[in-house]
Amino acid sequence: KQEVTQIPAALSVPEGENLVLNCSFTDSAIYNLQWFRQDPGKGLTSLLLIQSSQREQTSGRLNASLDKSSGRSTLYIAASQPGDSATYLCAVPNSGGSNYKLTFGKGTLLTVNP
Amino acid sequence: DAGVIQSPRHEVTEMGQEVTLRCKPISGHNSLFWYRQTMMRGLELLIYFNNNVPIDDSGMPEDRFSAKMPNASFSTLKIQPSEPRDSAVYFCASSLAGGLMGGDEQFFGPGTRLTVL
Repeated sequence: KQEVTQIPAALSVPEGENLVLNCSFTDSAIYNLQWFRQDPGKGLTSLLLIQSSQREQTSGRLNASLDKSSGRSTLYIAASQPGDSATYLCAVPNSGGSNYKLTFGKGTLLTVNP
Repeated sequence: DAGVIQSPRHEVTEMGQEVTLRCKPISGHNSLFWYRQTMMRGLELLIYFNNNVPIDDSGMPEDRFSAKMPNASFSTLKIQPSEPRDSAVYFCASSLAGGLMGGDEQFFGPGTRLTVL
């Protein structure tokens, strides 16, 4: 059974700092990995999806990397801003015949202080 | 595109009442998912539809929960009778293709916050 772990559970940084969020998964036979952002009381916003054949994916100040062999992904946020404050979740599809089913980590609560 | 639309955004009801949550997926998406999010259990997949057909309902907690997708642009999740332990945020999500070999990017709606008193 796939398990996804996110470290740290919470992170507080001053504005302008570069930061890294970590995601690890136990079953490396994944098709892709998706990073989401969730604001309080809101839904999930898809940030980046990395296919298993890719090493990294970039969108603006966000860069996500994927190392399947070691079961790890990182989300790098450059020049953090208070508006980046949210919970960040990573999710991977199950392997085998049910890869529509995402397993989510519990998230990292990020606070960027002005 | 308006994204995934859910209604109502908030629902407060009393134990024993019927609750119906509604979802409109992104136009052209063939897969629809219902999730539940709680502090204790995080995000859980309840049911997955592909081309309006339920493919996997193994996450539906019990017979009190039912879901339908009568057409490509509408789905409902019904709880009857509701119980306090059903209080959670219910999300609907859709993706472009899917099927058993899915793994496409999923797009989530804003959720329905359900409180059962």
